[in-house]
Amino acid sequence: GENVEQHPSTLSVQEGDSAVIKCTYSDSASNYFPWYKQELGKRPQLIIDIRSNVGEKKDQRIAVTLNKTAKHFSLHITETQPEDSAVYFCAATWGYQKVTFGIGTKLQVIP
Amino acid sequence: AAGVIQSPRHLIKEKRETATLKCYPIPRHDTVYWYQQGPGQDPQFLISFYEKMQSDKGSIPDRFSAQQFSDYHSELNMSSLELGDSALYFCASSLGCRLYSSNQPQHFGDGTRLSIL
Repeated sequence: GENVEQHPSTLSVQEGDSAVIKCTYSDSASNYFPWYKQELGKRPQLIIDIRSNVGEKKDQRIAVTLNKTAKHFSLHITETQPEDSAVYFCAATWGYQKVTFGIGTKLQVIP
Repeated sequence: AAGVIQSPRHLIKEKRETATLKCYPIPRHDTVYWYQQGPGQDPQFLISFYEKMQSDKGSIPDRFSAQQFSDYHSELNMSSLELGDSALYFCASSLGCRLYSSNQPQHFGDGTRLSIL
C-alpha cells in the first residue's frame, strides 16, 4: 500500500517568513495530492491540491510543487501569519480515493 | 455552502457498549469515507462507500461495520467498544471518482468525538 512520509514534524517560523513542508510517497500510481490544514479539535480543511499532470500550483500565499520522478511534493507558505498556525497534513491518493495521510507538521508562526 | 454533517458531535460510552455515528454528505456527493484520528495522530482511513456499495476498506476493526443508505447518508456502527476506540471520527464526502476522469477533493465533517470510559 501507499506510504507517505512527511517532515518536519514541527516547524516554528517568525511571522512574515516562509514555511516549507516536504512529503514523499511510495506508490507511483498515486496521482492526486491534497494538503489539509487542521486546527486543534477541528476538521481537516482542504487548502490546496495538485494532480500528477501538473508540476506546480499556487493560490495566493500557498503553493505546492510536485516532482513525480522523485515522488516528492512540497507545500510552501509565504508571508506567514499567526493564523497559519495549525497542523498540516499532506496526502496521496489514487483510484477510488483511498487517501493516505502523512503524520502531520505542526506549524507555529511566532508573532 | 452546505458541508458534511456528522452526529452526534460528542459521544460517551462505556466498554463493551455499542455506538452509531451518522454522516450526511454534501448534497450531490455520492461517496463517503470514514476516518479515525487518535490524539496527535494523522487520520486513519477506515472504509468508504460509493453509490451505496463499499468501495474500499482500510484499518477498520471487525467490530465495526458501516453502510451507505439510499439518500447517501452513512452510518458507522461500533460494537464491543474498547478504551482504544476513543478518538475523533471523521466522515468526508466527495463526488464519485468513476464519474470523473480524476480524483475529486474530499471534504470533511466536524467529526464525532467518541470517549470510552
